[in-house]
Amino acid sequence: EAGVAQSPRYKIIEKRQSVAFWCNPISGHATLYWYQQILGQGPKLLIQFQNNGVVDDSQLPKDRFSAERLKGVDSTLKIQPAKLEDSAVYLCASSLRVSSYNEQFFGPGTRLTVL
Amino acid sequence: SQKIEQNSEALNIQEGKTATLTCNYTNYSPAYLQWYRQDPGRGPVFLLLIRENEKEKRKERLKVTFDTTLKQSLFHITASQPADSATYLCALDVGRDDKIIFGKGTRLHILP
Repeated sequence: EAGVAQSPRYKIIEKRQSVAFWCNPISGHATLYWYQQILGQGPKLLIQFQNNGVVDDSQLPKDRFSAERLKGVDSTLKIQPAKLEDSAVYLCASSLRVSSYNEQFFGPGTRLTVL
Repeated sequence: SQKIEQNSEALNIQEGKTATLTCNYTNYSPAYLQWYRQDPGRGPVFLLLIRENEKEKRKERLKVTFDTTLKQSLFHITASQPADSATYLCALDVGRDDKIIFGKGTRLHILP
């Protein structure tokens, strides 16, 4: 079974530039999550999708971050414009369905450096 | 405010000994708690889930306990090996939509 795929693995940009990350979850997984992990911290949920609908985006800085999950499969997370404090690893995870105690499967993450 | 604390940022354990990691929480009543392992440059990997009505769960050399009165989970690795060196994260269910909140993690070093 293929795991969660993410690209790119690394990205370096200047502040105020834009960046986009892509995630392909495990086939058949209805729930998709985007997390931000700052060095030395645990992952922090940014947005959760169930199929192509948003379940929770309460911690997504909506003035600069946006995410979509077209057709309930792949997802993209965009930052526009980036700030220095956005430097972090962005992790995508998927799970089989909501409210079933299912574990989350994580991709390798995208390490973003904002200069 | 709601809080999750993992006992220390780093823990050094001699190979062959039992490593014990602690996860404490306040102002939550989680239905379940999960433990993940994270290696450098990789995403977390699920290890174990324990429900609120379970006192203990085992998987090979891993054991997790869950005390809802103390609001604490203990994660044990018996007969530890250098390959067990990693960061271990606890995560709590926050009661809706399978959303979980992660602790900061504990970096475990198993010394040969």
